[in-house]
Amino acid sequence: SQTIHQWPATLVQPVGSPLSLECTVEGTSNPNLYWYRQAAGRGLQLLFYSVGIGQISSEVPQNLSASRPQDRQFILSSKKLLLSDSGFYLCAWTVGLAGVEQYFGPGTRLTVT
Amino acid sequence: KNQVEQSPQSLIILEGKNCTLQCNYTVSPFSNLRWYKQDTGRGPVSLTIMTFSENTKSNGRYTATLDADTKQSSLHITASQLSDSASYICVVGEKGGGNKLTFGTGTQLKVEL
Repeated sequence: SQTIHQWPATLVQPVGSPLSLECTVEGTSNPNLYWYRQAAGRGLQLLFYSVGIGQISSEVPQNLSASRPQDRQFILSSKKLLLSDSGFYLCAWTVGLAGVEQYFGPGTRLTVT
Repeated sequence: KNQVEQSPQSLIILEGKNCTLQCNYTVSPFSNLRWYKQDTGRGPVSLTIMTFSENTKSNGRYTATLDADTKQSSLHITASQLSDSASYICVVGEKGGGNKLTFGTGTQLKVEL
């Protein structure tokens, strides 16, 4: 069966510090991978998606970046965090065309202080 | 701009009662509509997925309806249980590559004794 992992589960970082969140998927090949952010009282916002290794599409301009060094690994990074980067970050995956199930990871709660 | 609006924003009902949550969308081109349940601090879990040609789909005590002409959907929960307390999110998928989704802000449901 397929499993999606995210770590860390929670993170408190000072403003201006770097960020690296990791997401890995097990039990499937060539998934579409997604990074979302959910701010308090807001809907999930798509940040990045990837349809293959090294292929990253950015949905919202910001100080975050994403990379996909391996087929089932998706990394969200920042060189300098802002207070506005605080939120709940979710990784998700699908396989195939639109209309199929999108599975979410457990999320990372990021607080920038 | 693609948007998904949900109502009510929050709802409190007594255990055993039924309730209906509403969703209006302006996503185009439309591919599918999903309802997710999100427990606090967890990733969303899919309840139903409907394509353009489907107007109702059930998953246990959850029944979703879709009117693609009016661009409206509803999620009906019957015989509510305490474990139904969660945020219910309406999500609309676009046709095209990447399987991109637009998320509503959710309806926060609380089931009380």
